[in-house]
Amino acid sequence: GIQVEQSPPDLILQEGANSTLRCNFSDSVNNLQWFHQNPWGQLINLFYIPSGTKQNGRLSATTVATERYSLLYISSSQTTDSGVYFCAVGESGNTPLVFGKGTRLSVIA
Amino acid sequence: EAGVVQSPRYKIIEKKQPMAFWCNPISGHNTLYWYRQNLGQGPELLIRYENEEAVDDSQLPKDRFSAERLKGVDSTLKIQPAELGDSAVYLCASSLGLGTGYYEQYFGPGTRLTVT
Repeated sequence: GIQVEQSPPDLILQEGANSTLRCNFSDSVNNLQWFHQNPWGQLINLFYIPSGTKQNGRLSATTVATERYSLLYISSSQTTDSGVYFCAVGESGNTPLVFGKGTRLSVIA
Repeated sequence: EAGVVQSPRYKIIEKKQPMAFWCNPISGHNTLYWYRQNLGQGPELLIRYENEEAVDDSQLPKDRFSAERLKGVDSTLKIQPAELGDSAVYLCASSLGLGTGYYEQYFGPGTRLTVT
């Protein structure tokens, strides 16, 4: 099956710093989503981005499907950005998402 | 618009007891998924429904797990009997469905199960 690798596994930032999270996947996909899992375990949808670039406030994401990777950018980080960020992909149609192991982000004041 | 609803949110049971999880997807979403998330890992699929039909259940441990989605709306996942290794967060998700061309999945808050 498809493999998803996220890097870095852990990241510690000072408040106000910028960061880039990476997601590599092993096969072509027609669904790619970025999630933020908050301390209560809720998976919050950040981006649905099988290809192209999107921005939402301080967050933006880019997926280069032909090269099988996606990037999540966080600018001017805040303590509330702390948590685990997951990349998840689906190969075709409504197939289930395959998740990476996540990047654990800690933003310190 | 209401999101995916799950209950209970937390449950502690002893091994060999039964357990039932309930999920109500977003209105109009035809595809429903049950995932399990172990500590420190990403969620992994247990079963996927397209309307009432289970179309992907290869990862469901059928000796003790069962699921149903009788009217193509809400769904129940059951464990009978529970084992210590079943301790995890059980997540329900939904999406619009096949043929829509839009496959974004939305997750409920999950049920944290502890088996003692």
